[in-house]
Amino acid sequence: EADIYQTPRYLVIGTGKKITLECSQTMGHDKMYWYQQDPGMELHLIHYSYGVNSTEKGDLSSESTVSRIRTEHFPLTLESARPSHTSQYLCASRGTEDQPQHFGDGTRLSIL
Amino acid sequence: GQNIDQPTEMTATEGAIVQINCTYQTSGFNGLFWYQQHAGEAPTFLSYNVLDGLEEKGRFSSFLSRSKGYSYLLLKELQMKDSASYLCAVRSTRSGSARQLTFGSGTQLTVLP
Repeated sequence: EADIYQTPRYLVIGTGKKITLECSQTMGHDKMYWYQQDPGMELHLIHYSYGVNSTEKGDLSSESTVSRIRTEHFPLTLESARPSHTSQYLCASRGTEDQPQHFGDGTRLSIL
Repeated sequence: GQNIDQPTEMTATEGAIVQINCTYQTSGFNGLFWYQQHAGEAPTFLSYNVLDGLEEKGRFSSFLSRSKGYSYLLLKELQMKDSASYLCAVRSTRSGSARQLTFGSGTQLTVLP
């Protein structure tokens, strides 16, 4: 059973607020990922990390930023939220190359 | 780049067998994953193929043909709880973001009583 946690599960907040979505895993995985998924649509990679102090942008351009100061923690930040940021954000982690990515439960973000 | 195609929707009857196909185009294939995703929930891992052939796991099996760029997920003895979206995801050997998983749009399976 994968141990990867995301908070909050749901967030409804006004435009212009700074938001941090938390993601933590207790498996010691080096590789972590953030995906954005709109309802009924495919997952799009927005950020990933190969380990501490390593962060890269994914295939989908995003105004969010990430940090990886500790192996177990990979938070995603939006400095000034806009309605276009409304979506589901999924965090995942992976161990070795042949292991699958394990996903957290996601954060459903609604910007009013 | 990578291109992944799978049917948008499928419908089957409880107790039946259903096959969900996935075709892909990628430079430097390095594995194919199938995930199940219930509405509003996170994807959960089902199977992984990197070599040609069939991988069986209980009621679920997955097949891969690298030469044809083709995979399928076979679900036997369908249950109502199998109603979900099934995602095909491909990893390539290229570096950078292309080395990560690319997900298909998913096949929404509806199991009818």
